[in-house]
Amino acid sequence: DSGVTQTPKHLITATGQRVTLRCSPRSGDLSVYWYQQSLDQGLQFLIHYYNGEERAKGNILERFSAQQFPDLHSELNLSSLELGDSALYFCASSVDVRDRAFGYTFGSGTRLTVV
Amino acid sequence: DQQVKQNSPSLSVQEGRISILNCDYTNSMFDYFLWYKKYPAEGPTFLISISSIKDKNEDGRFTVFLNKSAKHLSLHIVPSQPGDSAVYFCAVNTDKLIFGTGTRLQVFP
Repeated sequence: DSGVTQTPKHLITATGQRVTLRCSPRSGDLSVYWYQQSLDQGLQFLIHYYNGEERAKGNILERFSAQQFPDLHSELNLSSLELGDSALYFCASSVDVRDRAFGYTFGSGTRLTVV
Repeated sequence: DQQVKQNSPSLSVQEGRISILNCDYTNSMFDYFLWYKKYPAEGPTFLISISSIKDKNEDGRFTVFLNKSAKHLSLHIVPSQPGDSAVYFCAVNTDKLIFGTGTRLQVFP
């Protein structure tokens, strides 16, 4: 157990629908990152939150949004879903954005299947 | 454009031998490099890192080498064990982790 909790583990939904993925960071970590891994692809950075504030955006579609709440958990909202949104979505956390030698601790991911 | 490249999608090595995984990057300003290992149905786990002020970092069976002039890093696993079979990602840490596409390592008996 990495200490980063993602729910649900699996999600199957239809095109056009909206889903919410949830992430609880490791205790004490202030940063939350979201990544997407499509079939045979590397992990693509989506967005970073630090202590409730958005810090950086990557290749995140306008149909996707995220937020980090006062208790530091984060939610990734995916709307108007398309077949191509089927992927593994990972959340990661870190305690200090300056500690770049260590990197992040990842959760086990949410597998989203859009049918 | 891919800033971090792992050109070998897969590698097969016999148990006890050395596994060498390679990674190339494009930006000479990158200064922190990391390797992650990923098993199926799990998230990536941190293995080892190196900063650009070093050319080698060692942790047990794992050694990372950095060649700044060639913008190339490699991960050596000696000796390889069946439990090392996984997908290995290299990454650079800027204001976020930028990952390569991964190399699937299979260690056979």
